[in-house]
Amino acid sequence: KNEVEQSPQNLTAQEGEFITINCSYSVGISALHWLQQHPGGGIVSLFMLSSGKKKHGRLIATINIQEKHSSLHITASHPRDSAVYICAVSSAGNQFYFGTGTSLTVIP
Amino acid sequence: DGGITQSPKYLFRKEGQNVTLSCEQNLNHDAMYWYRQDPGQGLRLIYYSQIVNDFQKGDIAEGYSVSREKKESFPLTVTSAQKNPTAFYLCASSISRKGEQFFGPGTRLTVL
Repeated sequence: KNEVEQSPQNLTAQEGEFITINCSYSVGISALHWLQQHPGGGIVSLFMLSSGKKKHGRLIATINIQEKHSSLHITASHPRDSAVYICAVSSAGNQFYFGTGTSLTVIP
Repeated sequence: DGGITQSPKYLFRKEGQNVTLSCEQNLNHDAMYWYRQDPGQGLRLIYYSQIVNDFQKGDIAEGYSVSREKKESFPLTVTSAQKNPTAFYLCASSISRKGEQFFGPGTRLTVL
């Protein structure tokens, strides 16, 4: 069993739609990370959070520590949001665990 | 500009040859990491270093070696002992082991 599970694995949306990607984890964590990987392969850190909610532009990340669950929301999605979104957690023991990613395609 | 660089972006090697992947950062980060990414799998940790002249094995260290002689540099050698070396390799760094990680652009290694 993976320590970090993401859903869905693949997601196709029309431009302008509201998108939600979910992440569940099974270990005790010090922080949860949302990463974005574009087709070229480079990874960008979007959020690092340990409680509550963070917002950056059209992206919103929430975390529920009790339920061991996080969501990444994209409002007014755009084709340039097409990428793989990866959830990762840093455990209390300083280990990093990564989800397998959600591949998002936004169609114009 | 501060950041992490990896070179080359694409690398081809013959089976049985050792190959070294470069990773340099000018973020003044203490911790550096090497990950391997295969299709359909999450990133897997190969090696990490929390400080100069110190490094630790990750989950899949067999067939790989690293050095950390300078704070800025953390090269990864893929040896001939690595059974399936063709993969995408990502280097990352963070202020400390607990900190947010910043990733390089990656090196795609193909062994022919």
